Amino acid sequence: RKEVEQDPGPFNVPEGATVAFNCTYSNSASQSFFWYRQDCRKEPKLLMSVYSSGNEDGRFTAQLNRASQYISLLIRDSKLSDSATYLCVVNCGAGSYQLTFGKGTKLSVIP
Amino acid sequence: NAGVTQTPKFRVLKTGQSMTLLCAQDMNHEYMYWYRQDPGMGLRLIHYSVGEGTTAKGEVPDGYNVSRLKKQNFLLGLESAAPSQTSVYFCASKTPSGQLTKNIQYFGAGTRLSVL
Repeated sequence: RKEVEQDPGPFNVPEGATVAFNCTYSNSASQSFFWYRQDCRKEPKLLMSVYSSGNEDGRFTAQLNRASQYISLLIRDSKLSDSATYLCVVNCGAGSYQLTFGKGTKLSVIP
Repeated sequence: NAGVTQTPKFRVLKTGQSMTLLCAQDMNHEYMYWYRQDPGMGLRLIHYSVGEGTTAKGEVPDGYNVSRLKKQNFLLGLESAAPSQTSVYFCASKTPSGQLTKNIQYFGAGTRLSVL
């Protein structure tokens, strides 16, 4: 089983739509969870951390379900500028500062 | 703010040639990492360092060497380049917080390497 699995997409959605990405991870000892964003031919950049209680940053909402080892990202009111690849990222286990990256889900927001 | 700077941005090598990729960070971070990113493979860790003078192997270390002589610099070396090392290489450094919820890595812009 791969450590971090994501639906590769692509997700093609119209402007203004709501889109959700899911991610599962295999290491039950993982303690830190993130969503990164990567634009075409650019470096990954932190979008948001994911906390157990769930957290929101503007149009973005992240959820974590430790029992199911499942992470989600919800984007509301999609903008053209949201077009990118979204990477689910998890640390490698208890106390580890190494991160494991999912292969990413590609989002294209269409006018 | 410079952050994490990688040089060069692009490079073409012939099989068997050697080269060194330089990563420099000005954030006083202890931890630094080298990744490669290939289509359909995601980011894979090559080597990492937890501080000046230290290095450790990651997931795909074969064919690469690293050095961390100064805290701000992390060098990745290819002694004898092979076509399988054609990839995009990213360097990252980690915030100094000991809290895992703040275990955030910041990336350089990448080096695109082609080995012919």
